[in-house]
Amino acid sequence: IQLTQSPSSLSASVGDRVTITCRASQGISRYLAWYQQKPGKAPKLLIYVASILQSGVPSRFSGSGSGTDFTLTISSLQPEDFATYYCQHLNSYPLTFGGGTKVEIK
Amino acid sequence: EVQLVESGGGLVQPGRSLRLSCAASGFTFDDYAVHWVRQAPGKAPEWVSGINWKSESIGYADSVKGRFTVSRDNAKKSLYLQMNSLRAEDTALYYCAKTTCSRASCYAYFFDYWGQGTLVTVSS
Repeated sequence: IQLTQSPSSLSASVGDRVTITCRASQGISRYLAWYQQKPGKAPKLLIYVASILQSGVPSRFSGSGSGTDFTLTISSLQPEDFATYYCQHLNSYPLTFGGGTKVEIK
Repeated sequence: EVQLVESGGGLVQPGRSLRLSCAASGFTFDDYAVHWVRQAPGKAPEWVSGINWKSESIGYADSVKGRFTVSRDNAKKSLYLQMNSLRAEDTALYYCAKTTCSRASCYAYFFDYWGQGTLVTVSS
């Protein structure tokens, strides 16, 4: 299963609403997770099973979708949200990650 | 506090072998599936291998199948990755990652805790 993220990068300002999409090459029900990664750090789990917020993750992050099309939304971008975001499919080997979306400061 | 500490990385020549280790603490290690995920510089993470709590279910990425072997020692709370016939394209930071997939409930493999990684460089 291949995961295609778009855009590969975006520039946004603090307070903006940001949406990142992830498209699967075949239907994966809701078996998708989202991670945030900052330079020099391991990825951090944000959302799993498409829309369940991981404990401790701010509520400005949300996920939606099922089948082949998924979105990660940041409702009001904060300075600490500038990072790279990856999607990952969850339920069958081989597990795969999307190519990433880098969110940069405008 | 959950901790995963990888070790064993280094510089190795193409065709040689290396064994990575991951020491786990802060959770009941023998209840959970654990995986290896690697990330080449500037690239997205790539899943490498996973193993369930009793070593009954094991998976490998196509890119490493036949060359890498995952194993675990629950008594030592440790995960291992034996890497043989290493290639330049295996150069990456290798992470050990815990899933929420446990003997009590396993419906999906996603990673709630990661180690800091150990760097493997394959070069002559």
